[in-house]
Amino acid sequence: DGGITQSPKYLFRKEGQNVTLSCEQNLNHDAMYWYRQDPGQGLRLIYYSQIVNDFQKGDIAEGYSVSREKKESFPLTVTSAQKNPTAFYLCASSYRVSTEAFFGQGTRLTVV
Amino acid sequence: GESVGLHLPTLSVQEGDNSIINCAYSNSASDYFIWYKQESGKGPQFIIDIRSNMDKRQGQRVTVLLNKTVKHLSLQIAATQPGDSAVYFCAENADYSGAGSYQLTFGKGTKLSVIP
Repeated sequence: DGGITQSPKYLFRKEGQNVTLSCEQNLNHDAMYWYRQDPGQGLRLIYYSQIVNDFQKGDIAEGYSVSREKKESFPLTVTSAQKNPTAFYLCASSYRVSTEAFFGQGTRLTVV
Repeated sequence: GESVGLHLPTLSVQEGDNSIINCAYSNSASDYFIWYKQESGKGPQFIIDIRSNMDKRQGQRVTVLLNKTVKHLSLQIAATQPGDSAVYFCAENADYSGAGSYQLTFGKGTKLSVIP
């Protein structure tokens, strides 16, 4: 099946640790995005990538890092510099910008 | 950057009635808009989209209206069903930096509750 897959679904992290969230798509999409969602809130853009080996900061990039070495993969690292990392993280992809974005099922990160 | 906002945070409708969810956007350069439905604990699902050169688009039981004069977007759901209960987000695609780098920006969402 074609789609976008995020893993793991639930993730627990100790304070001070970095953690990497996986996002893979087999839709042959050029653009990929990472969003953060807090309870009862909308989606805020962390990073996005329009093409392999290129990415741009979104509205809340501080404390996060990404890479785009392959078209299919756009992992997000939540670093220890992110002061409030507990949230629901959503990855999306689209054929190109200005087209429909498809979302994964999300990763719920909890800092313990 | 400029943001997309929603007029109504919650909406309760009777099963079978029509629902209207509204959205205001502020970036006049936005060229593409999408409505998403998000059920609890899941990722958003695409409902319908519309480009800035259109003012109306219809899908199955849903219609999106775009009024560029007042920067307003609405989603109409006909004959609302219990399965329509979810949070609905509008999103706009715009180049905030002016450098040809487009972002898809979301509003806060409206929670739709369908009363059986």
